[in-house]
Amino acid sequence: QVTLKESGPGILQPSQTLSLTCSFSGFSLSTYGMCVGWIRQSSGKGLEWLANIWWNDDKYYNPSLKNRLTISKDTSNNQAFLKITNMDTADTATYYCARVHTMGITPYYFDYWGQGVMVTVSS
Amino acid sequence: DTVLTQSPALAVSPGERVTISCRASESVSTGMHWYQQKPGQQPKLLIYGASNLESGVPARFSGSGSGTDFTLTIDPVEADDTATYFCQQSWNDPFTFGSGTKLEIK
Repeated sequence: QVTLKESGPGILQPSQTLSLTCSFSGFSLSTYGMCVGWIRQSSGKGLEWLANIWWNDDKYYNPSLKNRLTISKDTSNNQAFLKITNMDTADTATYYCARVHTMGITPYYFDYWGQGVMVTVSS
Repeated sequence: DTVLTQSPALAVSPGERVTISCRASESVSTGMHWYQQKPGQQPKLLIYGASNLESGVPARFSGSGSGTDFTLTIDPVEADDTATYFCQQSWNDPFTFGSGTKLEIK
């Protein structure tokens, strides 16, 4: 059974760095082909893909945010992480981690999602 | 970026057939996927690769299309299908989502 769960600070101030953790079970990020992604959802911008990290440590970022994002993983503890620097009120959103399905003819969809963590940026 | 355009809202009665559309600003081949999101919940995968039903999803849901025009069909609609439905493309970089279609069951 695949499960994912996000954790984060809940609230932070503008200009601070957001650190998020995705703890998962039912698969391993050390297994060939596995990939975990981060997506956020805000009332202003809807669903927005942020970044993916692969089993081999390849990383892909949304170009619109690339300079602010860092994705990483700890395979021994089944966790993935996302850092976003220089947070702004516009970054207020629910942040999800999800497993990326990478096999088949038309891959790269999110087959399992965490419940999401709400992050509010406010002074 | 590939822009995905969806109608904002639809209202149908139980037992009816409903089609939800998603139009891409450029071709995404069959790299289109559909999700259902109920209030307070995370998105749930329904359809992948434009027309493939995810395991465990009722056969009332189906998807079609290729290139730039895609459709999610629910037939027949049930009261529990009240939700927002999103399309997502994975053919072009970066992955993008539609803004969602809110489905109301009368």
